[in-house]
Amino acid sequence: DAGITQSPRHKVTETGTPVTLRCHQTENHRYMYWYRQDPGHGLRLIHYSYGVKDTDKGEVSDGYSVSRSKTEDFLLTLESATSSQTSVYFCAIQMDSSSTDTQYFGPGTRLTVL
Amino acid sequence: KDQVFQPSTVASSEGAVVEIFCNHSVSNAYNFFWYLHFPGCAPRLLVKGSKPSQQGRYNMTYERFSSSLLILQVREADAAVYYCCTGSSNTGKLIFGQGTTLQVKP
Repeated sequence: DAGITQSPRHKVTETGTPVTLRCHQTENHRYMYWYRQDPGHGLRLIHYSYGVKDTDKGEVSDGYSVSRSKTEDFLLTLESATSSQTSVYFCAIQMDSSSTDTQYFGPGTRLTVL
Repeated sequence: KDQVFQPSTVASSEGAVVEIFCNHSVSNAYNFFWYLHFPGCAPRLLVKGSKPSQQGRYNMTYERFSSSLLILQVREADAAVYYCCTGSSNTGKLIFGQGTTLQVKP
């Protein structure tokens, strides 16, 4: 295991409520990523971070925000959850942001928005 | 648009060699990564590189815009989702395909 945990692992919430997912790493990797996994779409990048307080948008960032106040934690927030955000969310870490460096994934959070 | 393409489903029988093909339209991408994903678990890297390589029962072929993952002596326990991805040296981001579900018949 790459020392990545995600919490909660499962969550059911209602439309319009705020939701925060947490990713925690013990590897001291600089780069962290949030993906969502949906049938037929594979893994799509939501947001990523290249250091404390340094974040940027990915392919499907609308409706999501992130924060990174410590190297080890990367938070994903849905300000007002919608049913289209029902998905499995994966966090990943990477030592170097390069096209040759491996990303290591957490176990995922299954989010259901009713 | 930078995209990675792979079949949605591949079916095989136990003991066979199964091939999962992947190609991409990503500019300045020179590496492939193949991940294995069992539902409820973290996706796990199987093999990667910019040349043909092997890790145990997993072989990776390599061409500039395509790669195949070959699984030797496939077992029922190999039934899972396999993701192909490549990294753009322009952005440093990995771009994933939609995933291929491997079905294995006994």
